[in-house]
Amino acid sequence: EVQLVESGGTLVQPGGSLRLSCVASGFTFSDYDMHWVRQAPGKGLEWVSTIGTAGDTYYPGSVKGRFSISRENAKNSLYLQMHSLRAGDTAVYYCVRANFDIRGYIFYFDFWGQGTLVTVSS
Amino acid sequence: DIQMTQSPSSLSASVGDRVTITCRSSQTIRNYLNWYQQKPGKAPKLLIYAASSLQSGVPSRFSGSGSGTDFTLTISSLQPEDFATYYCQQSYSTPPVTFGGGTKVEI
Repeated sequence: EVQLVESGGTLVQPGGSLRLSCVASGFTFSDYDMHWVRQAPGKGLEWVSTIGTAGDTYYPGSVKGRFSISRENAKNSLYLQMHSLRAGDTAVYYCVRANFDIRGYIFYFDFWGQGTLVTVSS
Repeated sequence: DIQMTQSPSSLSASVGDRVTITCRSSQTIRNYLNWYQQKPGKAPKLLIYAASSLQSGVPSRFSGSGSGTDFTLTISSLQPEDFATYYCQQSYSTPPVTFGGGTKVEI
């Protein structure tokens, strides 16, 4: 059974830093691209970062330069290091596995963790 | 960036109703479109990928259609457990991955 378990979310002051972790099980972690997706309270879904199987990383403009995604395949773990946190970063952060259709072109998010809440407030 | 627009943002329906949710992209995304269901306090769940492929374990009352810029998620006969928020997501031109704003299906 595929499982993704996030941790590390907490209350942090504006300007602070935080590292989120996600431990994966039930699949060969190193074979999959992994993502972080967040959801602010009462709002929609927002993609936050991607790390490919080769370690390539991608970010939207809203977090680029402040957030850093990484992975440790030997520990089946995904991380999100967040700096210079703002009130607008308050959200539930989901660790997400990406899979591809049979042709290998279209990716989709087939497994999600339960989420970890990050609250940025003084 | 490709913008995804869902309509309506919310709808009221009854058990047994046929429900249709629309998602439109700001430029063509071929069939690189996925649908998710989210219930309150829970993580999203994949329903449909590649516009019309049903994810394993998802009931057949859910179906997806469309290509290019216009897509539809249909629930053929709404069940009590289907009251939730639904999101579309494009994976054609990334980064960034983009989601629609969501459609809340209420009683």
